[in-house]
Amino acid sequence: ETGVTQSPTHLIKTRGQQVTLRCSSQSGHNTVSWYQQALGQGPQFIFQYYREEENGRGNFPPRFSGLQFPNYSSELNVNALELDDSALYLCASSLLSGGTPSTQYFGPGTRLTVL
Amino acid sequence: AQSVTQLDSQVPVFEEAPVELRCNYSSSVSVYLFWYVQYPNQGLQLLLKYLSGSTLVESINGFEAEFNKSQTSFHLRKPSVHISDTAEYFCAVSPTGANNLFFGTGTRLTVIP
Repeated sequence: ETGVTQSPTHLIKTRGQQVTLRCSSQSGHNTVSWYQQALGQGPQFIFQYYREEENGRGNFPPRFSGLQFPNYSSELNVNALELDDSALYLCASSLLSGGTPSTQYFGPGTRLTVL
Repeated sequence: AQSVTQLDSQVPVFEEAPVELRCNYSSSVSVYLFWYVQYPNQGLQLLLKYLSGSTLVESINGFEAEFNKSQTSFHLRKPSVHISDTAEYFCAVSPTGANNLFFGTGTRLTVIP
């Protein structure tokens, strides 16, 4: 059973550029959540995808968007990058079934630096 | 709305001493409670969780946490820490019916030899 993987591990961009981060979910999972972890802070929920549809969103502007593919992998896209977007981006996968919360398994993250 | 407060940003403790990492939360709805650990240059790993039932939950590596509804707390404890417990610990809540997590700002536990 493979865990959650993310690519790339590190990325450097300049203000105004666009970036795409990728996540492969754990085998058997149908849900992917994305979090932003700024330096010295706890992760903040960006959004979640369940069976290719957005299933909840945190307090992030529309320039943060995402996709989930039929194999349940996912992308996070950020347009018009700002300096404050510099952070560790974490992907977590889980198996959503019924009303009980499922354990979220986190990937190692992508460190994005915006200059 | 939900919020999680971890009052101690850093906790140094000597090896084999006990430790308590504090977590308080506020929420307008019922929540589930979690502790995650983050080792250097790694992602988050679930340490333990409270969903229902016994208010005392334990992890496989000796940590335990007790849900106190009246004090809205979920403090993490370990009676004897090891060097390998050095890490960042995050408390998190998930509203019932939702599947996303709200995290505190974390507590860095440093175990001193």
